[in-house]
Amino acid sequence: AQKVTQAQTEISVVEKEDVTLDCVYETRDTTYYLFWYKQPPSGELVFLIRRNSFDEQNEISGRYSWNFQKSTSSFNFTITASQVVDSAVYFCALSPPAGRRALTFGSGTRLQVQP
Amino acid sequence: DVKVTQSSRYLVKRTGEKVFLECVQDMDHENMFWYRQDPGLGLRLIYFSYDVKMKEKGDIPEGYSVSREKKERFSLILESASTNQTSMYLCASSITGRLDYEQYFGPGTRLTVT
Repeated sequence: AQKVTQAQTEISVVEKEDVTLDCVYETRDTTYYLFWYKQPPSGELVFLIRRNSFDEQNEISGRYSWNFQKSTSSFNFTITASQVVDSAVYFCALSPPAGRRALTFGSGTRLQVQP
Repeated sequence: DVKVTQSSRYLVKRTGEKVFLECVQDMDHENMFWYRQDPGLGLRLIYFSYDVKMKEKGDIPEGYSVSREKKERFSLILESASTNQTSMYLCASSITGRLDYEQYFGPGTRLTVT
């Protein structure tokens, strides 16, 4: 069965600190995709990144970076020099197994960045 | 840009009322989804639809039904609202046939049942 675990329920940091959000997944599929979404206070989930199971290169986009490690089934997300605007709930998700079409989401990590 | 809209941002209903939540997407996506989001539980799939008039139960379909009469519109129906259905409801859509296509989400409807 598929599962995505985000063990950190809530993280609070002070502006300019670096923060890493953890994501661990389980799947029997050999080909799959991993996603991160951001949900700001307005409520709408915003897509941040997708990664396929064959590409373990780390990715950096501005202050955001993602570390995908197949050996530990993890897809962690780091925000460098956090800002107040980064305050949101972040969800990690896994592409659907055969026969389903919906992503499998983790329970989310609420990030509070204090000024 | 893909746009997914939901009919209401906030809704207050009484126990026992029939409630309709509407979702419309403008990108001709085959798949549409309804989730509910509760603190600590993340997003839980209620129902999804992969074509007009086609639907499948998700993980928590009890107490809900859905309707998809047109490709762009997917409705969630609470036949007889109960207080334990107070939640944030999120609609999403996606293209079918590819694993790498993300789901696009609407802004959510926060439903309170009193």
